[in-house]
Amino acid sequence: QSALTQPRSVSGSPGQSVTISCTGTSSDVGSSNYVSWYQQHPGKAPKLLIYDVRKWPSGIPDRFSGSKSGNTASLTISGLQAEDEADYYCCAHAGSYYLFGAGTKITVL
Amino acid sequence: QMQLQESGPGLVKPSETLSLTCSVSGGPVSTSNYCWAWIRQPPGKGLEWIASICHGGRTYYKPSLKSRVTISVDTSTNQFSLKLTSATAADTAVYHCVRETEGSSYSYWGQGTLVTVSS
Repeated sequence: QSALTQPRSVSGSPGQSVTISCTGTSSDVGSSNYVSWYQQHPGKAPKLLIYDVRKWPSGIPDRFSGSKSGNTASLTISGLQAEDEADYYCCAHAGSYYLFGAGTKITVL
Repeated sequence: QMQLQESGPGLVKPSETLSLTCSVSGGPVSTSNYCWAWIRQPPGKGLEWIASICHGGRTYYKPSLKSRVTISVDTSTNQFSLKLTSATAADTAVYHCVRETEGSSYSYWGQGTLVTVSS
């Protein structure tokens, strides 16, 4: 079970939108309704941003949005802000185990 | 407010057993609504799910670690634990205990504890 594929880095200017892809296989992302996304600032624990592909936990702004097409899930951040600079990880439930992506570093220019 | 706190040795010798405990406050580990999990992150690397335990003692393990890992719950102390045998340098990581919505996501995380495997 290999890690899900994410771009190593993505950058954008304040106010712009950026999208992170998370590519797996038909055995994980492609067959799962349970894709989640996490934000991690340096030295901190990850924070849940999106669950079940496109749902928001309480307190998460709707400028973070999730979607899925085939074997690829995506996280879009609209209206990029300085505090969005962090690492982002996708996660998919694949039957009896979970797979994480390798992580994407978002840089706010 | 749900809080999780990891505890255990920060240094483990190669071939020995890595043992960690997670103390949970703000809700019972015996709940049927959630599972409990361990996730680790090697220095400078990504997240790796290790194991989960759910209501009724159902356990789930990462296939590549299954032979070395045991997850358990102690309802009398409201804690859950991880044991990883035959530790190697590759097991050096920050270990997080986490509350899991079964099959879905990880909503509450402990701050993490660094465990180094070295002689």
